[in-house]
Amino acid sequence: GAVVSQHPSWVICKSGTSVKIECRSLDFQATTMFWYRQFPKQSLMLMATSNEGSKATYEQGVEKDKFLINHASLTLSTLTVTSAHPEDSSFYICSASSKAIGYTFGSGTRLTVV
Amino acid sequence: DQQVKQNSPSLSVQEGRISILNCDYTNSMFDYFLWYKKYPAEGPTFLISISSIKDKNEDGRFTVFLNKSAKHLSLHIVPSQPGDSAVYFCAATLETSGSRLTFGEGTQLTVNP
Repeated sequence: GAVVSQHPSWVICKSGTSVKIECRSLDFQATTMFWYRQFPKQSLMLMATSNEGSKATYEQGVEKDKFLINHASLTLSTLTVTSAHPEDSSFYICSASSKAIGYTFGSGTRLTVV
Repeated sequence: DQQVKQNSPSLSVQEGRISILNCDYTNSMFDYFLWYKKYPAEGPTFLISISSIKDKNEDGRFTVFLNKSAKHLSLHIVPSQPGDSAVYFCAATLETSGSRLTFGEGTQLTVNP
């Protein structure tokens, strides 16, 4: 079946530093990748949608300069949380989409900013 | 504006009985619906989906029912097993490739032995 590899699975960083999260589709080409954020006991909130080779489309209220998304190829998208602060601590999940496969989610990244 | 709502934050059932999880949506443009199961600190796992041209889809112990006129869908799990205990999210989208998923808030299902 379709697999999306997301890493790291957890990361602790100091306030003010940047963290990069990678999302790879291992056995299929993802035309679109989505980045979600989930706070405890809440729903998955879409942050941005990215298509290979083009700029990401950010949801309202999501700072594009803070959450940098790069979709360099049909199998790789990265989310960089720049100048992280404690309020950025959350669970980040990527999802890859293709017409043939549908939607496949990564295993998520727990970010803790101290 | 919460376009997909799961009004029950939690549900507890006995092993072997039926679990019914409900989901309502407001956007009549949605034409494809999915259910996901999620454990803490893990990504969602796809369970079952249904297109708006159908009113029922069944896969083993899981059945999804869609009532378009009521903008309501439900997931039935029978018989429920303790391993089914997790958070269940319904999601809605347009069947067009690359369309975003809109998630409900999730329902924590606990199946008691």
